[in-house]
Amino acid sequence: EIVLTQSPATLSLSPGERATLSCRASQSVSSYLAWYQQKPGQAPRLLIYDASNRATGIPARFSGSGSGTDFTLTISSLEPEDFAVYYCQQRSNWPPRGTFGPGTKVDIK
Amino acid sequence: EVQLVESGGGLVQPGRSLRLSCTASGFTFGDYAMSWVRQAPGKGLEWVGFIRSKAYGGTTEYAASVKGRFTISRDDSKSIAYLQMNSLKTEDTAVYYCTRESIAVDYWGQGTLVTVSS
Repeated sequence: EIVLTQSPATLSLSPGERATLSCRASQSVSSYLAWYQQKPGQAPRLLIYDASNRATGIPARFSGSGSGTDFTLTISSLEPEDFAVYYCQQRSNWPPRGTFGPGTKVDIK
Repeated sequence: EVQLVESGGGLVQPGRSLRLSCTASGFTFGDYAMSWVRQAPGKGLEWVGFIRSKAYGGTTEYAASVKGRFTISRDDSKSIAYLQMNSLKTEDTAVYYCTRESIAVDYWGQGTLVTVSS
């Protein structure tokens, strides 16, 4: 079973700062990794798919990188609306498909 | 506009059953795999399972925590996906999201709350 770990659990930053979030898989998922953003009381929103492709309508300040077991989501300059919880999800064929990481909360310093 | 609307949530006693429905609109439902994701109060996201489109056999896969108790099905003529939940446990209490699968989970419903309690 593939297990995803995310670090840090909480990231305290100020608007305008750069955020770097990590997601590590227990075995290779190739580039089959997605990132989602969730704000309180809302459903999650797809940000990045296939490790580095921005979903439709996602601002260019969000970028993803990595392959195999190590992945990174970078927010180049935090906007007030970016303070939220971010989840990675593996989408490889290894069962169980669709496993999520535990999340990283980005909050205001 | 793609819309996914869940229904059927509520309060249920442990050991009982509940069926959730997800009514889809704004896209050709039969062309897509559909999945269910849940979120316990104050916790993270948990993938529950998914069903492939008929073009890929309409087969299903489930998380270990629900395998044998939950069943996902679909009615393409009505654009509805279902989540049949049997032998419910208190730890199944969560908001259940219906989602569309393509490049990733690209659309989510608003969620429906299932509370399992005596």
